[in-house]
Amino acid sequence: AQSVAQPEDQVNVAEGNPLTVKCTYSVSGNPYLFWYVQYPNRGLQFLLKYITGDNLVKGSYGFEAEFNKSQTSFHLKKPSALVSDSALYFCAAVNTGGFKTIFGAGTRLFVKA
Amino acid sequence: GAGVSQTPSNKVTEKGKYVELRCDPISGHTALYWYRQSLGQGPEFLIYFQGTGAADDSGLPNDRFFAVRPEGSVSTLKIQRTERGDSAVYLCASSLTTTGGNNEQFFGPGTRLTVL
Repeated sequence: AQSVAQPEDQVNVAEGNPLTVKCTYSVSGNPYLFWYVQYPNRGLQFLLKYITGDNLVKGSYGFEAEFNKSQTSFHLKKPSALVSDSALYFCAAVNTGGFKTIFGAGTRLFVKA
Repeated sequence: GAGVSQTPSNKVTEKGKYVELRCDPISGHTALYWYRQSLGQGPEFLIYFQGTGAADDSGLPNDRFFAVRPEGSVSTLKIQRTERGDSAVYLCASSLTTTGGNNEQFFGPGTRLTVL
């Protein structure tokens, strides 16, 4: 079965420190990969995506993600965390040419001042 | 501009009843998705529409669930004979036309369904 794994339920980081939220996928072919964020009382919002090309993709709010095909990973990163980055982050994958989107269970990020 | 809207925001019903959940996508978005999100889980794909047709309904859990999009805009998710296990937040998302699922999705705020 195809799946997306986010191995950490929660990530804690101090403001100003770099952050990483991990994601690995088990999806056939060369999937499209996405990160979405959910702030309290707000809907899911798109952060960034990998379709093809450069393995490092940049997105909204200073976030970036690194695609690693050999490790089937797509980790979300930010060089310097802000308290306002505290939210629930979801990794998602879509089969190339398909539309069924598979989401991970989510990782809650806490950034402490 | 207006985002994806969903009505109602909350729905409480009794076991065995029929419910309809509505989604208004962003104008011009031909792709529409329905998801179900249980507490502590990520969104679970239910169905995808391209225009009026359901291009992929492989995520619908059983024949009690049905969705329509008759004019290629508003969509309705219909659940018959509701069960307590149907309680969840139902999310709708839309995206631009694409030849593959490589466009980002815009999500609505969700409908929280509670089956007593």
